[in-house]
Amino acid sequence: GESVGLHLPTLSVQEGDNSIINCAYSNSASDYFIWYKQESGKGPQFIIDIRSNMDKRQGQRVTVLLNKTVKHLSLQIAATQPGDSAVYFCAENWAGSNYKLTFGKGTLLTVNP
Amino acid sequence: DGGITQSPKYLFRKEGQNVTLSCEQNLNHDAMYWYRQDPGQGLRLIYYSQIVNDFQKGDIAEGYSVSREKKESFPLTVTSAQKNPTAFYLCASSIADEQYFGPGTRLTVT
Repeated sequence: GESVGLHLPTLSVQEGDNSIINCAYSNSASDYFIWYKQESGKGPQFIIDIRSNMDKRQGQRVTVLLNKTVKHLSLQIAATQPGDSAVYFCAENWAGSNYKLTFGKGTLLTVNP
Repeated sequence: DGGITQSPKYLFRKEGQNVTLSCEQNLNHDAMYWYRQDPGQGLRLIYYSQIVNDFQKGDIAEGYSVSREKKESFPLTVTSAQKNPTAFYLCASSIADEQYFGPGTRLTVT
């Protein structure tokens, strides 16, 4: 079937390298952000989130950085593995949106063994 | 297992037929959502429901309908009025901000 990765920005890395995936968000009032991972043909999987009162949050092998000045979000994946190959996209939310998320289009990460 | 289930995984229909996609969750989440995903595009919100017996249109509700008679269930009907129904449909549920997704249903209309 069709891949959700068609026509998306792509990032290709070697296994073991660190990956950085970027996202520019649109609403300066956004106060909550999520990174999702989506493998081909599957539903998005929650990876990590961050609120606007923080500029960095770490999880297992992942770190999210938030720069509110330039409305930029990044996801860093340490020691990237072949199983990390997927589309990654960010989502933003703001108070008053009734918990409706706005999603970015995503970046296709390919990890070469 | 707790989670969100969508069935079927693949669905084929002839043009002009209505079709209903199932979404069930046992996470006890109040809010549920339906999204459409097309290749190379972000998720677009079709309908959402914050509580039983209540739902609101999202950004692309035309040609779709929903019901929310039970907390656990939020079925989506793709009607014959939807001009381009072939897509990957995702259901999600949330408690506060965090949304969790089901595995999706790929609908093909010919």
